[in-house]
Amino acid sequence: AQSVTQLGSHVSVSEGALVLLRCNYSSSVPPYLFWYVQYPNQGLQLLLKYTSAATLVKGINGFEAEFKKSETSFHLTKPSAHMSDAAEYFCAVTPPRGYSTLTFGKGTMLLVSP
Amino acid sequence: DTGVSQDPRHKITKRGQNVTFRCDPISEHNRLYWYRQTLGQGPEFLTYFQNEAQLEKSRLLSDRFSAERPKGSFSTLEIQRTEQGDSAMYLCASSSPGTLWANEQFFGPGTRLTVL
Repeated sequence: AQSVTQLGSHVSVSEGALVLLRCNYSSSVPPYLFWYVQYPNQGLQLLLKYTSAATLVKGINGFEAEFKKSETSFHLTKPSAHMSDAAEYFCAVTPPRGYSTLTFGKGTMLLVSP
Repeated sequence: DTGVSQDPRHKITKRGQNVTFRCDPISEHNRLYWYRQTLGQGPEFLTYFQNEAQLEKSRLLSDRFSAERPKGSFSTLEIQRTEQGDSAMYLCASSSPGTLWANEQFFGPGTRLTVL
């Protein structure tokens, strides 16, 4: 069985500061990993994905994440936060081959102050 | 490509009533997923279709829930005899049969259900 743990239900940063959202996974085999963003009353938008190619993955809106197998982590970072980054972020995991459903973490709400 | 669409966006109903939601996936996607998201939680898998075949159901999907995808295109999710605990956002997603991105799911805007 797979699972995802997102540390911190809320993260607060100032505009221009580094954003770090943590995600650790549990899986019997190296999985595929995803970060999604959700704005209020909207669906999920894919930020980036790791599918066993490069361990450092760049996504949209300046976000990136690094897959670290030894730490079973896939933390999301952005060098400089913008007000428009305020949203809820979800890390998700799925087995590496074939179709499968996504298993999501509980989410981290990113708050950005001026 | 118009993306995944869901209808209605919001539904308020009284306990005990039946409700039905519709999802239209991206046109070339043969896989369709339903998830439920309650307040403060991540989405949880409910069921999955490949074309018209329902291939997997979560134990979250009680007997009051039924999903169909009769022609392998749009899907409906029906909840019978709604309960207050059914209040949630119901999300639909679809994915392509292509091997490279088989696991990349595209989500619709969701249907928010409120059961009074």
